[in-house]
Amino acid sequence: GAGVSQSPRYKVAKRGQDVALRCDPISGHVSLFWYQQALGQGPEFLTYFQNEAQLDKSGLPSDRFFAERPEGSVSTLKIQRTQQEDSAVYLCASSLTLAGENEQFFGPGTRLTVL
Amino acid sequence: KQEVTQIPAALSVPEGENLVLNCSFTDSAIYNLQWFRQDPGKGLTSLLLIQSSQREQTSGRLNASLDKSSGRSTLYIAASQPGDSATYLCAVSTQGGSEKLVFGKGTKLTVNP
Repeated sequence: GAGVSQSPRYKVAKRGQDVALRCDPISGHVSLFWYQQALGQGPEFLTYFQNEAQLDKSGLPSDRFFAERPEGSVSTLKIQRTQQEDSAVYLCASSLTLAGENEQFFGPGTRLTVL
Repeated sequence: KQEVTQIPAALSVPEGENLVLNCSFTDSAIYNLQWFRQDPGKGLTSLLLIQSSQREQTSGRLNASLDKSSGRSTLYIAASQPGDSATYLCAVSTQGGSEKLVFGKGTKLTVNP
């Protein structure tokens, strides 16, 4: 596609439910990132993939958060047993090659509200 | 640990004014610095990317400078327009680790007609 797409755009979950957020990066982009943005804050790093390899997951807040990119393209961020503090916008970004040398392009985000 | 600070947190200016947004970072060992624009309820739009070897980048009415040794960047917006109203975010990619971006909290700009 022309840009990074994310689905769903909005998700409301009851506390304790599991959710899955999808990211479709720009075709051919090697690097993929997930960020979490709380209201009024800048995005914060969650995890990074280079192709299908998850090279950095140091930003994942707890073991309830899990991300995968099994075929090196589409990625899914899964949150188990959601809690109210998980409410945020989840942003996905992709980059052509090594992200340190290239621009990151962001999707529109998924706004998660946990009741 | 890289930390990014943006000043001011909010700025309100009349239409037509030239303005400067500031960004500072604590670790000068960066790959690059990006400026983004974020409209309410939207994702991030990349405005300018400055590689660590560069001093500035220009796109239309926007000019971004980078002083890596002092850990500072500025985004200059010329002849501001109401359509420039948005939150502007600065982010750096630091060497020696993951390729992740570390963001500031942003500057919320309002341009009044």
